[in-house]
Amino acid sequence: NAGVTQTPKFRVLKTGQSMTLLCAQDMNHEYMYWYRQDPGMGLRLIHYSVGEGTTAKGEVPDGYNVSRLKKQNFLLGLESAAPSQTSVYFCASRKGTDPEAFFGQGTRLTVV
Amino acid sequence: AQSVAQPEDQVNVAEGNPLTVKCTYSVSGNPYLFWYVQYPNRGLQFLLKYITGDNLVKGSYGFEAEFNKSQTSFHLKKPSALVSDSALYFCAVRDVFNKFYFGSGTKLNVKP
Repeated sequence: NAGVTQTPKFRVLKTGQSMTLLCAQDMNHEYMYWYRQDPGMGLRLIHYSVGEGTTAKGEVPDGYNVSRLKKQNFLLGLESAAPSQTSVYFCASRKGTDPEAFFGQGTRLTVV
Repeated sequence: AQSVAQPEDQVNVAEGNPLTVKCTYSVSGNPYLFWYVQYPNRGLQFLLKYITGDNLVKGSYGFEAEFNKSQTSFHLKKPSALVSDSALYFCAVRDVFNKFYFGSGTKLNVKP
C-alpha cells in the first residue's frame, strides 16, 4: 500500500515553461487536495476535488489548473511557470467518511 | 473566514520537560481540528484529531491536545519531550466545505 505518491520529487523550470505534477493515491479516497508550502506561511490550498470529474478552487488557484479524470489521480498543471511559483507542493487525499487527510512526500519546484 | 493561528514560530524545550505548542482557530460551525507533524524533507504526518466528545484527545507518539471551545484553542501537549520530537508542527481546521486550513507552523526544538 503506497498511500499518496507524488511525481516528480524535484524539478527546476525556466520561467514560462509548463509542467504537470502527478498525485496518485491507492486508498480509494474521494477527496484530493493540492497545497503549496512556503516559509512562514504554512500550507495554502490551491485546488481540491471531492470526486472523480470534479474540481474546485482553493485559496491560491491563480496560475494553476487541475484535473481529476480518474479517482486515483489528481494532476496539477502550471501552464506558464513564474518565479513566484517556486515552492514545495503537497498532495493529500481523504476518505469521505474519515476526517483526516493523508499527505504525499512533496514536490520541490524551483522556477528560475 | 476560516483561519488558524500558531503564535509561536519556534518552541524550545529540554528533553524530559513537558511541551506545549499553541493553536487558536476561527471557523464557522463545529470545528474539526487536527495536528500534523513534518520531519525534514518529508510530507505531513497525522498526529491526532478532535471531532467531538472529550476535550482531551490522545494521538500518536504520546502527544495529546486539549480542545477549549470558549478560548477557541487546540494546544498540542506532551508530558515528557524527546529529542526525536524535534520537527515542524502544524495545526489545521477543516470547514463544512471539506477544505483544510493550516497554521503557519511551529518549529519544536528539543535539546538533550
